[in-house]
Parts: sequence; structure tokens; C-alpha cells
Amino acid sequence: AQKITQTQPGMFVQEKEAVTLDCTYDTSDPSYGLFWYKQPSSGEMIFLIYQGSYDQQNATEGRYSLNFQKARKSANLVISASQLGDSAMYFCAMRGIGSGNTGKLIFGQGTTLQVKP
Amino acid sequence: DSGVTQTPKHLITATGQRVTLRCSPRSGDLSVYWYQQSLDQGLQFLIQYYNGEERAKGNILERFSAQQFPDLHSELNLSSLELGDSALYFCASSAQEAGLSKQYFGPGTRLTVT
Repeated sequence: AQKITQTQPGMFVQEKEAVTLDCTYDTSDPSYGLFWYKQPSSGEMIFLIYQGSYDQQNATEGRYSLNFQKARKSANLVISASQLGDSAMYFCAMRGIGSGNTGKLIFGQGTTLQVKP
Repeated sequence: DSGVTQTPKHLITATGQRVTLRCSPRSGDLSVYWYQQSLDQGLQFLIQYYNGEERAKGNILERFSAQQFPDLHSELNLSSLELGDSALYFCASSAQEAGLSKQYFGPGTRLTVT
């Protein structure tokens, strides 16, 4: 079974500072992918970044980077130079990518990020 | 804009009723997923279709059913609605059936059962 845990229900960060949102996971799949989504107050789910378990380097997408520590089973999202528009709920998700796996995503509980001016 | 469209955006209905939510995937995407987001259950996977065939089932109630049509749009049917079915229902699509194919979400349909 797969499980995603986000232990921070809410976070505050000052504008222009960096922030790390925690995500730990558990899976028996030897190959898997980890994803982060942003959900602003308007409700839509916006894909941010993903990392494959076999990737040697941490993924980066603009101001987003994924701090992947396989031994610790963590996939933290780092947002650099926070902007007011980053205020939203953030979800960590995963799915197995080996044979026998489907595309379904398992989501964590989410972390609400508020950026202060 | 993700390219995934969902209609309607909002739906208010009474207990015991039946509703149909519609989803059009991104152009070229063959895989469609349905998710439910509620306050008590969080974001949960319901069902996946790939090129018209059911591929995976999650925590989908027997009162719920879905299908994917030849033009690849999908519908989620919810019947005998209960208060607890009130939630935000997302459709997502991806190019491939599985793997690391990114899933792009639609704007969601907010269902309120009164």
C-alpha cells in the first residue's frame, strides 16, 4: 500500500523568502513517482513538479525544487523567493510506475501556505 | 488553463437525486481519472479509464458509475445522492495509461447535496 504524509497543516513565510513544505511517503513499489500540486482558493489543481524514484538529480521547475531523499522517504517541496500568489494549499502525491501499476495518484492531506507581505 | 474541461462548474441538488458530471480531456490524452475532494476524506481517487476501458477503481461507491466514450470524454454518474456526497469532483487526464505521465486536472465540479 502507498501512503503520503504531510505533517504541516499550515505554514507562514515572508514574501521573498524560501520555504520548505514537507512530504514523506511509504510504498512497496520499487519504482514510483512523486508529484506536487498547488490548489489556490479558486479550487483548481495546478501541477508543479515531479520526480521519478530512479532520478539521480533533484527536479527543479523555475522557483520550485524537489528535495528528494530516498533513504529517508521524503520529497520536500522548496519554493524560493516566495510571492503573494504562492499562497495556496499544496499537495504531495505519488504513484507506482512499475508493471501492474495504474496511473492513480495517492495524495497527502495538504499544507496551507500563506505568504506575508 | 490545463486544457481539461469540466461541466457543470457548480451543481446543487437534493438527496436521492441523480446527477451526471462531464469531463473532456486535453487534446490527445487517452487516460481520464476521477477524484473526489471532501473535507473529511481529502483527495481520493475514484476511477480511471484509458481509451474507453476501465483501468483502475479506487474508493468509488456502488451508487457511482463512470464511462469514457469513443470521443474520449468521460461522464461520472452519481445516484441516490446523500449529504455526504457533497464534494469537489475533479477530472484529470494524461497522455499515457501509467508511468510518469503528468496528470492535468480540470477546474472541478462542486456538488452540493441539500
